[in-house]
Amino acid sequence: SAVISQKPSRDICQRGTSLTIQCQVDSQVTMMFWYRQQPGQSLTLIATANQGSEATYESGFVIDKFPISRPNLTFSTLTVSNMSPEDSSIYLCSVGVAGGPDTQYFGPGTRLTVL
Amino acid sequence: DQQVKQNSPSLSVQEGRISILNCDYTNSMFDYFLWYKKYPAEGPTFLISISSIKDKNEDGRFTVFLNKSAKHLSLHIVPSQPGDSAVYFCAASAATSGSRLTFGEGTQLTVNP
Repeated sequence: SAVISQKPSRDICQRGTSLTIQCQVDSQVTMMFWYRQQPGQSLTLIATANQGSEATYESGFVIDKFPISRPNLTFSTLTVSNMSPEDSSIYLCSVGVAGGPDTQYFGPGTRLTVL
Repeated sequence: DQQVKQNSPSLSVQEGRISILNCDYTNSMFDYFLWYKKYPAEGPTFLISISSIKDKNEDGRFTVFLNKSAKHLSLHIVPSQPGDSAVYFCAASAATSGSRLTFGEGTQLTVNP
């Protein structure tokens, strides 16, 4: 499995501002994903980060709110834009390997609190 | 539409006994199932998986059973240890979905010494 790090590990932000979360993997991976876990809830997929092309967003998530970059096979960023208290969540990146079983490995998460 | 459901939000067992965590799904296209364990302030850790062509997969103390006709899977932990106390998520994917995982709501397992 890959070693995945995320920055920042936590942050407290004011409403209306934006936060960019970084995800770094110690090896090249084909597939990277971004999830959100709201308090007391399950993990919800936000988008698939595609290297060299635009991210693929799930229903209910839009690029203007959650822009994603994937400049290479080891790094991705997720920006939470124009934040409101409803964006307070844990944000997680995960990686998978194409051609194998759909097992994903997760980073430690970024705990975001919006005041 | 919750396609993966874990109906028990919590489970408490004694150390050394068996823990059984259950998961139901509705999407018949799902063909790969996983269990993750999550401690507070950490990301989910992959535990064990099973393909739809099997009905059982075992890895040490952890065994996953799949009943396709009932669209039900379970995770057995034997013997349970206090360090197993965590939230357990089941997840599912379909070959047609591009590796996207759908997660259940999670079950908080507490193993009492």
